[in-house]
Order: sequence, then C-alpha cells, then structure tokens
Amino acid sequence: EIVLTQSPATLSLSPGERATLSCRASQSVSSYLAWYQQKPGQTPRLLIYDASKRATGIPARFSGSGSGTDFTLTISSLEPEDFAVYYCQQRSNWPGTFGQGTKLEIK
Amino acid sequence: QVQLQESGPGLVKPSETLSLTCSVSGYSISTDYYWGWIRQSPGKGLEWIGSIYHTGGTNITSLKGRVTISIDSSKNQFSLKLTSVTAADTAVFYCARSRSSIGYFDLWGRGTLVTVSS
Repeated sequence: EIVLTQSPATLSLSPGERATLSCRASQSVSSYLAWYQQKPGQTPRLLIYDASKRATGIPARFSGSGSGTDFTLTISSLEPEDFAVYYCQQRSNWPGTFGQGTKLEIK
Repeated sequence: QVQLQESGPGLVKPSETLSLTCSVSGYSISTDYYWGWIRQSPGKGLEWIGSIYHTGGTNITSLKGRVTISIDSSKNQFSLKLTSVTAADTAVFYCARSRSSIGYFDLWGRGTLVTVSS
C-alpha cells in the first residue's frame, strides 16, 4: 500500500499570503494524485486531480504540481475561506490511499 | 443537481453489523460511475472502504471479509454492511462518486456519524 505523507501537519499563515503544502508518496504514483479541502463539519471537496488539473468550479488561486513521489498544492493568495484541512489522495495503486492531512490555520 | 445522502443507525453495538444506505438523487446510478464508501475517524483519517460499479462489480479494500457493498438500481441506492464492528469502527461514513475503480471522489454525501458502543 502506498503511504502518502503530508507536510507540514499544521501551517499558520495570514490572509493574502501564499500557502505551499506538500504530499510525498512512498513510491511513484505518476500523476495520479488529487487534493481535497475539508472545512470543519463539512464534506471533503475535490480541488485538484491528476496532480495539476483543477476540478470544476475551483478558483484559479489553487494550483497543483509534481509527479512521481513529490507533489505540491499552492494557494497563491489566501482568502479567509481557504483555512481548512487539506488531504492528498493517490489513485495509482490499489488501494487508493489518503494522506493524513495538513491543517491550514489563520495566523 | 446530483446529491448523495447517507442514512442508517447512528449507534451500533460491538460485534453487530453496521448497515448504511446512500440515496442518490438527480442521477440514475445504473447509468455510469463507481459509487463508494469512505470513512473518517480521528485515529486514521480518511479511509476508502470500497466501491461498486453501476453494473454491480465491487472493489473492497482493507476491510475485505467484513464488508459488503450492494446496489439497488430500482431505488437508486447503494448500501454498505460492515460486520463484527468494534469501537475502532466508530467514524463518520461518507458515500461518494468516482469515475474509475480506483478513483478520485468528485461528489460526496454529507456523511453520517456511526458510533460503536454498548
């Protein structure tokens, strides 16, 4: 089973700043990686799939990059509604697995 | 607008069977897509349990042997049964949709908390 390790566990930033979240896979997942956002009490929302493709309705300030084992989710300028927990997920190998999450909190 | 809604008991006794149903509205589940179950517990984060294709084929992950996923096209629902539950199975259970057998989940239900306790 592929293990996804997200870092940092918690990221404290202010609105307007740039956020960079990392997801590292224990073996190559090619570009088969997604990012989800989950706000407290809400359902996870698909943001990015196939490493760099934005899902429907996702603002352009969210971007994904990477391939193989190292991936990054970047939020170019944080809006107040962006403070949430972010998860990565791979679908390269059975079973698809999730990372443990990065909590993005307001500084 | 396609929506998914989980339903089922919020409390299950240890060793019993957890049964949940996901009702889909706005789309006929017999048309396409994989329909899956994911759970989220504080200790283990998000865990994909398994999915069922619209034709009835299933993919079950680490809970294999305890999990059954079924589909009822006439009711536009799919269901999860998890046997021999323990406190470790306490979690929020989500139903969700994906485009492939190992897929990204582009649409989720709101989730339902199931607590295993006597």
